[in-house]
Amino acid sequence: DVKVTQSSRYLVKRTGEKVFLECVQDMDHENMFWYRQDPGLGLRLIYFSYDVKMKEKGDIPEGYSVSREKKERFSLILESASTNQTSMYLCASSTKTSGGRELFFGEGSRLTVL
Amino acid sequence: SQQGEEDPQALSIQEGENATMNCSYKTSINNLQWYRQNSGRGLVHLILIRSNEREKHSGRLRVTLDTSKKSSSLLITASRAADTASYFCATDKAAGNKLTFGGGTRVLVKP
Repeated sequence: DVKVTQSSRYLVKRTGEKVFLECVQDMDHENMFWYRQDPGLGLRLIYFSYDVKMKEKGDIPEGYSVSREKKERFSLILESASTNQTSMYLCASSTKTSGGRELFFGEGSRLTVL
Repeated sequence: SQQGEEDPQALSIQEGENATMNCSYKTSINNLQWYRQNSGRGLVHLILIRSNEREKHSGRLRVTLDTSKKSSSLLITASRAADTASYFCATDKAAGNKLTFGGGTRVLVKP
């Protein structure tokens, strides 16, 4: 059974703290994505990666960075957390096919920044 | 801005009834996908329809795509309480390779 695992389901951090959100997939997928989900706004793409050590900005990359040192792991980093980064963060992965591909999602990490 | 916009934002039906939700988008697409999200969980892929397809079925799901109107619909027939969830459309742009999601439709199926 395919699996995308996010390390923490719930986190509470203070303003200014550095936050790491980890995501691991066991499907040998080339593509990995980080989205944030806010009520009424749907999912917005933060960063994505098509290969190890490669990253590309999504629609809302400000305040975030990512790391992909191994194919199965994609980390989202909040260098200095702010209250407006309180949100649900969703990691996803997919194969690299030209004809369109489905995303496999993790269960999400709900981050609260106080 | 969001590529896909779902309509309605919320839908409440009785078990056994059909549920229909719509998605409109703005630019040319390669394919359109529908996902389901149960409360507090991740999204699960339901169905993918390519730009050269007009209709697709999967179990109790029926998806249509009208590229001339830049719209898609998802029909869930004979709904069950377990269908209670949020449903999202996502588009894969013809010139790009990222999925863009709409705001979702919240569906409540009452027993």
